[in-house]
Amino acid sequence: EAGVAQSPRYKIIEKRQSVAFWCNPISGHATLYWYQQILGQGPKLLIQFQNNGVVDDSQLPKDRFSAERLKGVDSTLKIQPAKLEDSAVYLCASSLERLAGRNEQYFGPGTRLTVT
Amino acid sequence: AQTVTQSQPEMSVQEAETVTLSCTYDTSENNYYLFWYKQPPSRQMILVIRQEAYKQQNATENRFSVNFQKAAKSFSLKISDSQLGDTAMYFCAFMKQTGANNLFFGTGTRLTVIP
Repeated sequence: EAGVAQSPRYKIIEKRQSVAFWCNPISGHATLYWYQQILGQGPKLLIQFQNNGVVDDSQLPKDRFSAERLKGVDSTLKIQPAKLEDSAVYLCASSLERLAGRNEQYFGPGTRLTVT
Repeated sequence: AQTVTQSQPEMSVQEAETVTLSCTYDTSENNYYLFWYKQPPSRQMILVIRQEAYKQQNATENRFSVNFQKAAKSFSLKISDSQLGDTAMYFCAFMKQTGANNLFFGTGTRLTVIP
């Protein structure tokens, strides 16, 4: 079974530029998550999708961050314009469902973003 | 709001020895899940072990076991017969059983296994 795929693995941009990250979840997984992991901290949820609908985006800085999952499969996370404090690893995860007992999350390798 | 606290930023253990990583959490929920994740330098977050709060029996997975104390809101991870491949960041995480099932992570413990 293929795991969660993410690209690119690394990205370096200057502040005020824009950037996009891509995630392909495990086949058949209805729920997709984007987490932000700042150096020295644990991951923090940015947004959660159930199929192509948003379940929770309360921690997403909507003035600069956006995410979509148009066909309920792949997802894209965008930052525009980037700030220095956006430097972090962006992790994508997926789970079969949100229901109890079927909600184990599988993580991708992450994208390390450096904003200079 | 849920909070997860890992008070040990770094730990080390000799190969083949046993080590225990600590985690406490705060929640008003009665039903929830607790997890330990391992994050090696490759950054891939890997599930180590999972505990359902309604189960009194502590979860075990081969060399990994937990000590779950619900009343004390404590959830420690014991690694027996430590191996060099266990070197990684370890994160404790909390998930509510109902509603949006996102994970709340602690700040992590960096474990180094010394040959």
